[in-house]
Amino acid sequence: GAGVSQSPSNKVTEKGKDVELRCDPISGHTALYWYRQSLGQGLEFLIYFQGNSAPDKSGLPSDRFSAERTGGSVSTLTIQRTQQEDSAVYLCASSPSPRAYEQYFGPGTRLTVT
Amino acid sequence: RKEVEQDPGPFNVPEGATVAFNCTYSNSASQSFFWYRQDCRKEPKLLMSVYSSGNEDGRFTAQLNRASQYISLLIRDSKLSDSATYLCVVNRGGGYQKVTFGTGTKLQVIP
Repeated sequence: GAGVSQSPSNKVTEKGKDVELRCDPISGHTALYWYRQSLGQGLEFLIYFQGNSAPDKSGLPSDRFSAERTGGSVSTLTIQRTQQEDSAVYLCASSPSPRAYEQYFGPGTRLTVT
Repeated sequence: RKEVEQDPGPFNVPEGATVAFNCTYSNSASQSFFWYRQDCRKEPKLLMSVYSSGNEDGRFTAQLNRASQYISLLIRDSKLSDSATYLCVVNRGGGYQKVTFGTGTKLQVIP
């Protein structure tokens, strides 16, 4: 079946511009995660959605970052006024509740801020 | 102290060798443990869960040592295709659905 998809696969933007990253989770998966991975670094948790519950936003690094999940499916991560340190691969993962630890990752969006 | 710590490596081993990685975790209440594999410039994929009694999947053996708060991954008869970064993942449990990823241990299997 279809896996997690993300778009765009690559995004180059100028410092100060806003960007939107999209994630389509696996159908039926209720949990959705966003992570960030900088070159040679581990995965940094950003935000977690579970069903209709309030999202866990504890990993968002600043108020320039926001995310929403519409209809319990597609999610968008928005970064406003991008900075060079935002350059990274942004990974989305979904998982079937309650085994939320089995996460299925999308291929990621490589964001480069120039 | 980081919640999950791994030796970044790289571990360079010849084909056919046995190699083992450890991962330490700081929260003694952690309940679930996993190993993920991440190939270069690819997304992580679940390799195996780690059960309290230890578990094996082909050439891969995972073990948990709660007393010393670490998990291990043993790979026997290494293949070139095993070259990847291995991520240790810990869930603190108690209904808490977030997991914490280690920064990974890089393995390079050499012909």
